[in-house]
Amino acid sequence: DVKVTQSSRYLVKRTGEKVFLECVQDMDHENMFWYRQDPGLGLRLIYFSYDVKMKEKGDIPEGYSVSREKKERFSLILESASTNQTSMYLCASSRSTLGETQYFGPGTRLLVL
Amino acid sequence: GENVEQHPSTLSVQEGDSAVIKCTYSDSASNYFPWYKQELGKGPQLIIDIRSNVGEKKDQRIAVTLNKTAKHFSLHITETQPEDSAVYFCAASCKLTFGKGITLSVRP
Repeated sequence: DVKVTQSSRYLVKRTGEKVFLECVQDMDHENMFWYRQDPGLGLRLIYFSYDVKMKEKGDIPEGYSVSREKKERFSLILESASTNQTSMYLCASSRSTLGETQYFGPGTRLLVL
Repeated sequence: GENVEQHPSTLSVQEGDSAVIKCTYSDSASNYFPWYKQELGKGPQLIIDIRSNVGEKKDQRIAVTLNKTAKHFSLHITETQPEDSAVYFCAASCKLTFGKGITLSVRP
C-alpha cells in the first residue's frame, strides 16, 4: 500500500514565523502535491512537483514556496506565516503520468495566531 | 482551466436508501474522473474512478457513470450504511481539479 506521511498532525505558529510542513511518500512516485482545504472551498492546489528539484505553481501559490531535494520528500514552506494561512494542509503523491490516482496523507491542521 | 462543480453541498439519506452525487466539469479534454471519500480526521482516499473511454464502472455498492456529452459524472451508492457518512470529492483530469466536496449523512 502507498503510504504518504506528514510530519505533524497539528501545528500552532505565530504570525511572521517561518513554517515548514514535510511530506514523505514511500512508493517512488514522481509527482507530489500540496493542497489546502478550507470549509466551503474544497481542495485547492498550492504547488506540485513532477520531479526532483522541479516545481510548478498551482492555483494559490502566493505566500508559499516548496522544496523537493529528494524524490520521496516534498516540503511546503510558509516564509512568514499569516492568520489567513490557518488551514488544513494535505500532501498527495501519484505516479509519473498526470491524471493518475493521487494518494493523500492524513493532513496537517495549522493554526496561525 | 478546468472547473468542477458539485451540487448540493450536503445530502442526507436514510440508511438503506441510495445516494447519488453529481459533478459537472467544463473542459471537454478531461479524461480521468476520480471520486474521493474523506472521513473525519483523515486525508481523502480514492474510492472509484473512471476514464473517458468508459461510460460506467461498478465496485460492489458504489458505481460511477460518465456522460461526456453533458460533461457530468455521478457517484451512486446503494444500500447506504452509517459508515458511508463522509465528505465526497469529485475531480477531473490531468492536473486534478477538485470539486468543493459534498457532505453525505446517512441517518440510521
